[in-house]
Amino acid sequence: EPEVTQTPSHQVTQMGQEVILRCVPISNHLYFYWYRQILGQKVEFLVSFYNNEISEKSEIFDDQFSVERPDGSNFTLKIRSTKLEDSAMYFCASSADSYNEQFFGPGTRLTVL
Amino acid sequence: GENVEQHPSTLSVQEGDSAVIKCTYSDSASNYFPWYKQELGKRPQLIIDIRSNVGEKKDQRIAVTLNKTAKHFSLHITETQPEDSAVYFCAANPSNDYKLSFGAGTTVTVRA
Repeated sequence: EPEVTQTPSHQVTQMGQEVILRCVPISNHLYFYWYRQILGQKVEFLVSFYNNEISEKSEIFDDQFSVERPDGSNFTLKIRSTKLEDSAMYFCASSADSYNEQFFGPGTRLTVL
Repeated sequence: GENVEQHPSTLSVQEGDSAVIKCTYSDSASNYFPWYKQELGKRPQLIIDIRSNVGEKKDQRIAVTLNKTAKHFSLHITETQPEDSAVYFCAANPSNDYKLSFGAGTTVTVRA
């Protein structure tokens, strides 16, 4: 069964550094998402992406965040200048359409020191 | 935007008993309600979902009910087993929206 994959599984960075989190969505899916989960808390929506543009973003997704689909398979989340409070598990998800189930990747644990 | 409340936050049941988790939502435009199970350190995995045109859906030991008028939906797990121990999240997706809005999660512990 196809799965969403993410790399790296764990990223440690210094405050103020840029990080890029990578995702490979399921190949025939058209909608892509990033969520984050601070330890012990709920999953929070960051951004959705369709047809090579952002379709929706949350208040969390400020100027420090950006997303890109650089080629036909990868979907990336960039944080330009990381803050301590960016430490969380970041999940990528994809879906075949906007009203169907979203499949989550295994997550990237980001630790900002 | 959509606001999803989930109760209880923790639930401990004896193996073989039933577990019920309840969620309420605020946006009457929501029409898709998935439930995800997340084991420790793992990704959320969809276990069952329901759309607003049906009131109940069942898949083996798992069932979900939806009351659109009251804007609440529930997850029912019967004959619980130790492997059902996990965090369960409900979510809602408004029809004019792309994102899933998640509840805070319920930690279910099944005692052997």
